[in-house]
Amino acid sequence: AQSVTQLDSHVSVSEGTPVLLRCNYSSSYSPSLFWYVQHPNKGLQLLLKYTSAATLVKGINGFEAEFKKSETSFHLTKPSAHMSDAAEYFCVVSEIGGADGLTFGKGTHLIIQP
Amino acid sequence: DGGITQSPKYLFRKEGQNVTLSCEQNLNHDAMYWYRQDPGQGLRLIYYSQIVNDFQKGDIAEGYSVSREKKESFPLTVTSAQKNPTAFYLCASSPRGVQRVYNEQFFGPGTRLTVL
Repeated sequence: AQSVTQLDSHVSVSEGTPVLLRCNYSSSYSPSLFWYVQHPNKGLQLLLKYTSAATLVKGINGFEAEFKKSETSFHLTKPSAHMSDAAEYFCVVSEIGGADGLTFGKGTHLIIQP
Repeated sequence: DGGITQSPKYLFRKEGQNVTLSCEQNLNHDAMYWYRQDPGQGLRLIYYSQIVNDFQKGDIAEGYSVSREKKESFPLTVTSAQKNPTAFYLCASSPRGVQRVYNEQFFGPGTRLTVL
């Protein structure tokens, strides 16, 4: 079985400061991990994905995430927040070779203060 | 442009009525999915289909039905048996079936259903 926990339901940062959105996962097999972003009343857009290649994954819009197996974490970071980053972010786990499909975290709402 | 389209964007339903949400993809993907999104609850899987004329229940299938007569289409019917249908509904597709590696999914823009 697989599960994912997003540790913060809301994160607020000032424009131009770093962003950290935390995600821990549980998986019986080798996981694939994803971060998706959702702007209000829109569908989900893939930011980045980890699929057992490099542990540091770079995505779109300056975001990156690091897969840490020992900590079962896949935190999302960005060096400098922009107002357009304000959105809901979902951490998602899928097991390679597993049968459970995708499991979504409950989401982190990112607020950018001017 | 390749992508997933959902219609309508907003839908209003009276209690006791069935409504059908449309989902079409031109990505040539085998698998398609329906999710329900409620505030603070992430996405919950309603139904999924890995191949034409076959589909499986997800975690919250009660009160919903689907069909997969064509590869590019996966309509969702919200029946009167669904107790609390007001939600945001998202359709997705992926290039491989549910049990394959990566399982990256591509999402449509969503349909917001409100029961009056």
